[in-house]
Amino acid sequence: GAGVSQTPSNKVTEKGKYVELRCDPISGHTALYWYRQSLGQGPEFLIYFQGTGAADDSGLPNDRFFAVRPEGSVSTLKIQRTERGDSAVYLCASSPGTQGDEQFFGPGTRLTVL
Amino acid sequence: AQSVTQLGSHVSVSEGALVLLRCNYSSSVPPYLFWYVQYPNQGLQLLLKYTSAATLVKGINGFEAEFKKSETSFHLTKPSAHMSDAAEYFCAVSSPAAGNKLTFGGGTRVLVKP
Repeated sequence: GAGVSQTPSNKVTEKGKYVELRCDPISGHTALYWYRQSLGQGPEFLIYFQGTGAADDSGLPNDRFFAVRPEGSVSTLKIQRTERGDSAVYLCASSPGTQGDEQFFGPGTRLTVL
Repeated sequence: AQSVTQLGSHVSVSEGALVLLRCNYSSSVPPYLFWYVQYPNQGLQLLLKYTSAATLVKGINGFEAEFKKSETSFHLTKPSAHMSDAAEYFCAVSSPAAGNKLTFGGGTRVLVKP
């Protein structure tokens, strides 16, 4: 079956611009997560959805970052007024939604802010 | 709060030799523990997970890990390294108290020498 997909695979933008990153989870998975991975580091948690609602957004670095999941499936991570420090690989994962479940990761979107 | 420490950002092993990757965690409640592998230009893939069943966990590709509560460790081993094991390995922890979010270590890059 299809895994988690993310689009675009690469995004280059200029400082100050707005970007949207999309995640299509595995069908039927109620939980969806966003992580950010900077070069040479492990992924860092950003936000977690259970269904349509954000169950935990404690990892969002500031109010320039926002994510939605309006129908409980596809999610969009939105970054306003991008900064060079936002450059990273943004990873999306989904799981069935039970404690201790494996999270299935997408290939990531590499964001470069010039 | 939960955290993960991976000792050694780089490990070099000879083909056929033992692979040992160290992971220590901190969690205020019984944790779920995971090892993920990331091959070059690919997404994170689950190797194995501990969710309070057997303390010795067997995963894919001949890897296994042992949960030791007294040492707060979850070290990953493979008896005989193969060239295809060259990748980056991440230890991660989650717990019911922290929702389902994963907290990752910084990763260990494994180089396999012929």
